Amino acid sequence: DAGVTQSPTHLIKTRGQQVTLRCSPKSGHDTVSWYQQALGQGPQFIFQYYEEEERQRGNFPDRFSGHQFPNYSSELNVNALLLGDSALYLCASSRGTSRLGNQPQHFGDGTRLSIL
Amino acid sequence: AQKITQTQPGMFVQEKEAVTLDCTYDTSDPSYGLFWYKQPSSGEMIFLIYQGSYDQQNATEGRYSLNFQKARKSANLVISASQLGDSAMYFCAMREGGSNYKLTFGKGTLLTVNP
Repeated sequence: DAGVTQSPTHLIKTRGQQVTLRCSPKSGHDTVSWYQQALGQGPQFIFQYYEEEERQRGNFPDRFSGHQFPNYSSELNVNALLLGDSALYLCASSRGTSRLGNQPQHFGDGTRLSIL
Repeated sequence: AQKITQTQPGMFVQEKEAVTLDCTYDTSDPSYGLFWYKQPSSGEMIFLIYQGSYDQQNATEGRYSLNFQKARKSANLVISASQLGDSAMYFCAMREGGSNYKLTFGKGTLLTVNP
C-alpha cells in the first residue's frame, strides 16, 4: 500500500523562476493539503484541494497556486520565486469526507526547494 | 496569539526512560482535534496519536500516550521506554472544527535519546 509520494526530492532554482511540485496521495485518499516548512519551524498550511477545487487556503500570496487532477494527485506551483521560498514543501493526504475525527493527514517525505 | 505552543525547544532522555513533551493550545471552538507527529531528520512527518476534544479518555497508541487536560488546554505527549530511534523532532498540531480542514502546528521539540 503506497503512501504519499512527492517529486522531486530536491530542487534548486534561482530568484524569479517558477517551480512545480507534485504529489500522489495515499491509496484511498481523495484530499491533498500542502504545507511549507521553513528551517527550524513547524509546517505552515498553504492550501487544501478536494474534488479538484481549492477548499481552504492559508496566508500565502497568489504566487502559490495548485491543482488537483481527477486521480486525486496534485501539483503545487510557485511563481516569481523569492529567496524566502526556500523550504521543505510537504504534501499530506486524507479522506475528504471525514469530518473532524481521528483520521489524520498522512504526509510524504517532502520536496526540499532551495532558491539561489 | 499562538494557537499551538511547545515551550521545550530540546529535550534529552536516557534510553528506556519515559519522557513528556509539552503542548498547550488556544481555541474558542468547542470541537477540535489534537495530533502529534514525529519528524526524523529525513523529513517525513509520521502520525503518532490523536485526541478529540470530546474524548473522555486519554488516547494511547503503543508506547505513546496523550495527557489531555482540557481545562488547562494542554495535550502533552508521553513516550514510555524511550528508544534510540525515538530521537527526532516532535510536533503538536490542532485541527479546529466546522469547515476548517487545516492543521496548525507548533514549533516542535527536538528529542534526543541517549544510550
